[in-house]
Amino acid sequence: QVHLLQSGAEVKKPGASVKVSCKASGYPFSRYHIHWVRQAPGQGLEWMGIKLSSGGDTIYAQNFQGRVTMTRDTSTNTYYMEVNSLTSEDTAVYYCAREGVESYFLDYWGQGTLVTVSS
Amino acid sequence: QSALTQPASVSGSPGQSITISCTGTSRDVGAYNHVSWYQQHTGKAPKVIIYDVSYRPSGVSDRFSGSKSGNTASLTISGLQAEDEADYYCKSYTTTYTYVFGTGTKVTVL
Repeated sequence: QVHLLQSGAEVKKPGASVKVSCKASGYPFSRYHIHWVRQAPGQGLEWMGIKLSSGGDTIYAQNFQGRVTMTRDTSTNTYYMEVNSLTSEDTAVYYCAREGVESYFLDYWGQGTLVTVSS
Repeated sequence: QSALTQPASVSGSPGQSITISCTGTSRDVGAYNHVSWYQQHTGKAPKVIIYDVSYRPSGVSDRFSGSKSGNTASLTISGLQAEDEADYYCKSYTTTYTYVFGTGTKVTVL
């Protein structure tokens, strides 16, 4: 059974960093990429980037280039997404989601992690 | 990369059909047939209902259908039901190897 289990809610101060984890299980990891998507309160979905299955390359959305880092620990099948220099505009639910290689759609999603940025 | 354009809201009575548009550019929607649609109920993670413009994943009702013409993709919900009340988002692959979501549409069942 496919599971994407994300870490718990976080509260951070402006200027700080946050690292969200996404532990994957129940499927062959080499055949799937992991995306990160965020959703600010009452707002739409925003694509942040993708961690590719082969070679571990990462492609970031232009809005997040240089401020977001996506990594993975192959020993624990856990993916991480770190956002630096947080502002109140980064307050959002952050999702990880799975894409089959060359499928171009997201078939399983994590439960989401609420990150609140407040002084 | 600007978000794809969707109507903010669409409504219909039970049993009716509604269509949601998703307008992009020749660099995203118009470039590939990699448009997918997601349904999101309040407080829940999104769920894919259409991929590659018009294909339904296993288990998704055949009341959902998709199409595309030029730079605009569309999602049609036939036989509208109360459970279809949710937010709907399109998503497209782009020529820069990234993805972009639509602005989202709130569907209300009257």
